[in-house]
Parts: sequence; structure tokens; C-alpha cells
Amino acid sequence: QVQLVESGGGVVQPGRSLRLSCVASGFPFSSYTMHWVRQAPGKGLEWLTLTSYDGVNKYYAESVKGRFTISRDNSRNTLYLEMNSLGYEDTAVYYCAKGVMWNFPGLGYKDVWGKGTAVTVSS
Amino acid sequence: IQMTQSPPSLSASVGDRVTITCRASQNIINYLNWYQQKPGKAPNLLIYGASTLQSGVPSRFSGSGSGTDFTLTISSLQPEDFATYYCQESYSMPMTFGPGTKVNIK
Repeated sequence: QVQLVESGGGVVQPGRSLRLSCVASGFPFSSYTMHWVRQAPGKGLEWLTLTSYDGVNKYYAESVKGRFTISRDNSRNTLYLEMNSLGYEDTAVYYCAKGVMWNFPGLGYKDVWGKGTAVTVSS
Repeated sequence: IQMTQSPPSLSASVGDRVTITCRASQNIINYLNWYQQKPGKAPNLLIYGASTLQSGVPSRFSGSGSGTDFTLTISSLQPEDFATYYCQESYSMPMTFGPGTKVNIK
């Protein structure tokens, strides 16, 4: 069964850091692009970042560029999101999502999502 | 690339045909995906490449369009289809989502 399980969310003060994890199972993790997407309370979906299957290529939304870092450990089937300098605007549910295989022509789609982990930035 | 959706919300009855429109600010060819999200749940991929139905998705869902204008159609709305629907372009970074269309029960 293909599954993604996020963890690491919680309440954090403004300006502090947090690291989210996403453990994958049921598919060859090291062959797939992976994404992080977030959703602020009552708002729509916001794509944040992706990493290529090998972790070499990474892309970020402007809203998190320079503050967030995506990484992956293919030996542990785990995706990470390191979040620094957190602000109130980063309060959201954070989802990891499985992208497309390494040889897919284009950026593709996200066909498997985790249940999400909630991050609340509060003083 | 900016993505817009219309309408922002709609009310419909079970059995109705529902059409949601998504427009891109520039030509994205057919690099357009549709997701369904129910309250408190993660999004679910419905359609990719503008018109390809994801495995396991009921055939009452269909997608069409190319260039800048796209539509998601539900041919006969079912009770489980009441949700918010998002389009997302996959032509270029940052893979922008549309603002969503909420489908309510009439």
C-alpha cells in the first residue's frame, strides 16, 4: 500500500525553526520526485517545493525561498522540510506528496498525499 | 503563471451536471491537473494532463481544454462529490494552484 506519513509539526514561536519529516512506503521512493504543499487555515493549496528523485534538483516557491530547505534520504525513504525564520504566515497544514517518476516528461502531478502535519506559529 | 477558477463556489443537486473552469495567464499547453479536497482531508488527484483520468477515479469526472482554458466536468453529481476542486498548472515553476471551487449541496 502506497503511503506517506508526515510528522514534526507543532506549535513554534515566531523566528524559530522546525523540521518536518515524511516517511514513504509501498513504492520505490528513490525513483520519484517529491513535493511539499501547505494549506493555511481556511485557505487554498500552496505548492512550496520539490526535490528530484536523486535530491540534486530542488525548486522553491518565492514565499519560502531562502527560509525553507527540502531534502531527502533515499536510504531511509524519508523526505524532509527544514523551516527557518518562521512567521505567523507559515501557520498551515503541511502535506508531502509523491510526484512523478524520474523519467516522466515534465513536472507532472501529485498522485499520493500524506494526511498532513499541522504547524502553528504563535508567541 | 496565474491561475483563476470560476465560479468560486456553486450550489448543485445530486444528478446535476457541473462544470468548473480554470484559466491560466499564459499558454500551458495541456500541463494542467485537477484535485478534489474534502474538509479535513488531503487532496486527491482526479485528472492530469488536462484530460487523463487518474486510476480509480469515477468516469463521471472528465477534463478538457488546452492552452489557457480548461474545464472539469462532473456528468452526474453524486453525494460524495461535494468538495472543493483545485486546478494546478505543471508547465513551470512554481506549479501554481488555482484558488479553488467549492461545490455545495443545493
